[in-house]
Amino acid sequence: DQQVKQNSPSLSVQEGRISILNCDYTNSMFDYFLWYKKYPAEGPTFLISISSIKDKNEDGRFTVFLNKSAKHLSLHIVPSQPGDSAVYFCAASEEYGNKLVFGAGTILRVKS
Amino acid sequence: KAGVTQTPRYLIKTRGQQVTLSCSPISGHRSVSWYQQTPGQGLQFLFEYFSETQRNKGNFPGRFSGRQFSNSRSEMNVSTLELGDSALYLCASSEGTGELFFGEGSRLTVL
Repeated sequence: DQQVKQNSPSLSVQEGRISILNCDYTNSMFDYFLWYKKYPAEGPTFLISISSIKDKNEDGRFTVFLNKSAKHLSLHIVPSQPGDSAVYFCAASEEYGNKLVFGAGTILRVKS
Repeated sequence: KAGVTQTPRYLIKTRGQQVTLSCSPISGHRSVSWYQQTPGQGLQFLFEYFSETQRNKGNFPGRFSGRQFSNSRSEMNVSTLELGDSALYLCASSEGTGELFFGEGSRLTVL
């Protein structure tokens, strides 16, 4: 029972263009959502988060959008850079805390 | 500030053996969580310890156990290893709630 789904295993984008990574969830009790980035042989690193009381959060080139009615969130990276090439995990929790439910990840490749 | 440190980084065991993995959190962090990452499955939550008490537990069999010491360091143990236990085991620490800081993981191979 996958409560958090990332339906695109991979995404390829040209440098300078927008990358859009998508995530769907089924548990309506989730109220905190996060994106993590992972390079090979490293642990995931926190990227950006959003609380369910918001529908948008920005941090530099990264913006997360939340559509609660559709149970959908997306991560926009503008402009994309080759260093953004990594695996991106969407995660959710029922509380502002530590039991995160992760999606399977999306491999982003940014071509120069 | 030193990051989250996990040892060992790599290990190979055979079926039926047991294994203990160690995690040293960021100084001052009292919460330690453990996750299992397998190909195509993302990260699956094992358990979380806060101030030496298990605060949350995932849906893993009783062969998976953990503990936290008074200095916040944590260990997880897997007994009677199975081939399917081969995975990257990630430890994450936090101040209590909010952003998790992950270690580089311990890659376990079960033969």
